[in-house]
Amino acid sequence: RKEVEQDPGPFNVPEGATVAFNCTYSNSASQSFFWYRQDCRKEPKLLMSVYSSGNEDGRFTAQLNRASQYISLLIRDSKLSDSATYLCVVRTGGFKTIFGAGTRLFVKA
Amino acid sequence: NAGVTQTPKFRVLKTGQSMTLLCAQDMNHEYMYWYRQDPGMGLRLIHYSVGEGTTAKGEVPDGYNVSRLKKQNFLLGLESAAPSQTSVYFCASSYPNSVGVGELFFGEGSRLTVL
Repeated sequence: RKEVEQDPGPFNVPEGATVAFNCTYSNSASQSFFWYRQDCRKEPKLLMSVYSSGNEDGRFTAQLNRASQYISLLIRDSKLSDSATYLCVVRTGGFKTIFGAGTRLFVKA
Repeated sequence: NAGVTQTPKFRVLKTGQSMTLLCAQDMNHEYMYWYRQDPGMGLRLIHYSVGEGTTAKGEVPDGYNVSRLKKQNFLLGLESAAPSQTSVYFCASSYPNSVGVGELFFGEGSRLTVL
């Protein structure tokens, strides 16, 4: 079993749609959680950190459920520019950072 | 501000050849990393460095060596390239924060093909 698992997708949604991604992690001692965004043939970039209380940044909302060991990302009012791969990232301590394989999103006009 | 710069961007090698990937960062970050990214898999850590003159093994270190002689540079070497090392390599840097390691800043990647 992978330490961090994501649905690879792709998710194909129309502009304006709401889309949700889930990510599960296996190490209950994991400490920090993030979502990174990676455009095609580009480098990953931090989208947002994920806090236990949940956090929102504009159209993006991230949630953490420690009991069930999953993280979610909700994108509201999808834009064409949201098309990318979304990477779930879990840090278990020290320098051990585990990246999920990513979920691909295509937003269509 | 350049951020993290990797050279070369593309390289084709024959099996058994050697090469070095160079990573340079201008953000004065203490920590630097080398990852590889393969289709269907998450980024995997090859080696990392917590400061000038120090290096440590990551998840997949075999077949690679690294050096950090200057704080701003982190070199990844392949002594005898193998087809299994065909991949996209990303360098990253970060700073320490209150919970350990801050945001990772990545370079644009280096695409390596080993024939």
